[in-house]
Amino acid sequence: GNSVTQMQGQVTLSEEEFLFINCTYSTTGYPTLFWYVQYPGEGPQLLLKVTTANNKGSSRGFEATYDKGTTSFHLQKASVQESDSAVYYCVLGGYQGGRALIFGTGTTVSVSP
Amino acid sequence: NSKVIQTPRYLVKGQGQKAKMRCIPEKGHPVVFWYQQNKNNEFKFLINFQNQEVLQQIDMTEKRFSAECPSNSPCSLEIQSSEAGDSALYLCASSLLVLGTYEQYFGPGTRLTVL
Repeated sequence: GNSVTQMQGQVTLSEEEFLFINCTYSTTGYPTLFWYVQYPGEGPQLLLKVTTANNKGSSRGFEATYDKGTTSFHLQKASVQESDSAVYYCVLGGYQGGRALIFGTGTTVSVSP
Repeated sequence: NSKVIQTPRYLVKGQGQKAKMRCIPEKGHPVVFWYQQNKNNEFKFLINFQNQEVLQQIDMTEKRFSAECPSNSPCSLEIQSSEAGDSALYLCASSLLVLGTYEQYFGPGTRLTVL
């Protein structure tokens, strides 16, 4: 079946450190992959997406690369800020508009000043 | 930033009571989804609509939940008889085709507490 795995439940960093969140997925074909970010008291926000057409996505200093060979989709940021503290979800998208998203279990990122 | 509106933000009900929440999707987004996010941050898809018609729903939704998405009115999700296990954040999302792929935009959610 379709699934997404995030092994890191929690990541703790200091400002200006490098962030890397690992994600692997299982599905058939080549779906669109997303990273969503959720701040306390809010719904998930779309951070970036990657399709088979471009293999890479970036937004607000975050980058993600889609590796079909290893079925991985990692998120990274070169230098984090305290405002990046949030829960990050790796998400598998459907091929059609009516398909539900499949969320990973989330990685809580805590950045101290 | 998403313009999906959800009301109320917080809802407290006793067991057995009805719990109703509403969602106004972003204008021009043809598909609306409801998800349940539990305290462990696990997401469960409940139901979705396109042009007021149900596309898919899970078994739980079919039995204890009722939902609709009428034209020119907010979408709604109602739990007919609330149970303690229904305590969760209920998220509404609307979907739009952007550069060949479907993106979903979420509202802030309705946090339901069943006492």
